[in-house]
Amino acid sequence: SQQGEEDPQALSIQEGENATMNCSYKTSINNLQWYRQNSGRGLVHLILIRSNEREKHSGRLRVTLDTSKKSSSLLITASRAADTASYFCATYSGAGSYQLTFGKGTKLSVIP
Amino acid sequence: DTGVSQDPRHKITKRGQNVTFRCDPISEHNRLYWYRQTLGQGPEFLTYFQNEAQLEKSRLLSDRFSAERPKGSFSTLEIQRTEQGDSAMYLCASSYRGGNTEAFFGQGTRLTVV
Repeated sequence: SQQGEEDPQALSIQEGENATMNCSYKTSINNLQWYRQNSGRGLVHLILIRSNEREKHSGRLRVTLDTSKKSSSLLITASRAADTASYFCATYSGAGSYQLTFGKGTKLSVIP
Repeated sequence: DTGVSQDPRHKITKRGQNVTFRCDPISEHNRLYWYRQTLGQGPEFLTYFQNEAQLEKSRLLSDRFSAERPKGSFSTLEIQRTEQGDSAMYLCASSYRGGNTEAFFGQGTRLTVV
């Protein structure tokens, strides 16, 4: 089953614009992670935010976490064509579980 | 650090045949995961090893699937009597022990069953 659900499923923007993707999850978490996947390739870890953090930055990425709403958002600022990829949020399924569970992802297209 | 390596990258097989995939994790990682991903979906967890012990298995892992990690190093995933529904990308990932940390993924093995 999918723990996280990303929204929107697809997003198309012009280069230079900001892209925002949202993720909702179901159970309590220790941390939430965002990954990127280029077409037909493996996943690359982008950023991890712990349950006691509300916001985290890494370069052009900004992640927020609202544990009361069980939701997270990923903001990519000043997007580039190279940011075109699918983005997934992932959480561990529960206490004692090492099953990292992914949502269906947001497919981002950045038009040059 | 050579990253997580998977072999082969692509495999085409006839229905009913057996296939085996290999994953070499990052050398100091003791956790290893297998995932399956179909088109337009996120990766789905199959199984997890800590060192050589297989600690979690998804209900998606039918009796036709078996995974091993001898000596806690590389891992193999075997699918017996393949079916068309097994066509997917099979992803391997590894991570450090010590809490729920980020996973490092290989490039995947794309299986096509014809």
